[in-house]
Amino acid sequence: DAGITQSPRHKVTETGTPVTLRCHQTENHRYMYWYRQDPGHGLRLIHYSYGVKDTDKGEVSDGYSVSRSKTEDFLLTLESATSSQTSVYFCAISGQGYEQYFGPGTRLTVT
Amino acid sequence: SQQGEEDPQALSIQEGENATMNCSYKTSINNLQWYRQNSGRGLVHLILIRSNEREKHSGRLRVTLDTSKKSSSLLITASRAADTASYFCAPNTGKLIFGQGTTLQVKP
Repeated sequence: DAGITQSPRHKVTETGTPVTLRCHQTENHRYMYWYRQDPGHGLRLIHYSYGVKDTDKGEVSDGYSVSRSKTEDFLLTLESATSSQTSVYFCAISGQGYEQYFGPGTRLTVT
Repeated sequence: SQQGEEDPQALSIQEGENATMNCSYKTSINNLQWYRQNSGRGLVHLILIRSNEREKHSGRLRVTLDTSKKSSSLLITASRAADTASYFCAPNTGKLIFGQGTTLQVKP
């Protein structure tokens, strides 16, 4: 998967608890992205980063925050998880080219 | 929405047949990309076609782009059971906007 890992791979959490998902890359790519994938909605962009400490909102950013303190790590935080955030979360990276490389995904269930 | 919209939503064919998937989008693009997703896995980049290109080939894949109609098609020739997956188009306007995909089943 192009030197990109996500952790955890599966998580079950309760409503109202904070959750942090981690994306780690070994490719030294500049751009990193967080998507969520839901039935009927396809893949939607949550936040993205174009460099260390440089992030911006995507299509569905409400309820999510991100941080990128190092080139290789991009963290997605749900400050107070809700059932509507139950989803599969994918991290992706891209370098000088336009194509994106995706991680294996994290399946998050909020009960 | 700038979303890429794939058609059909689902496609079932026999091994050896060709599979054609279509994509429409709404705004000007820099390029358009196609991705494949096997069940339970992340997306894998297949092919990129730039806005000034009309056709591109990669192995058994053929992609066309018609910017005047804001549409693209992906043709998989001589399909195999291993081609069973979901296929997504992603118009690139600065960000990739994914549609819901076409689910392809290739029966052995």
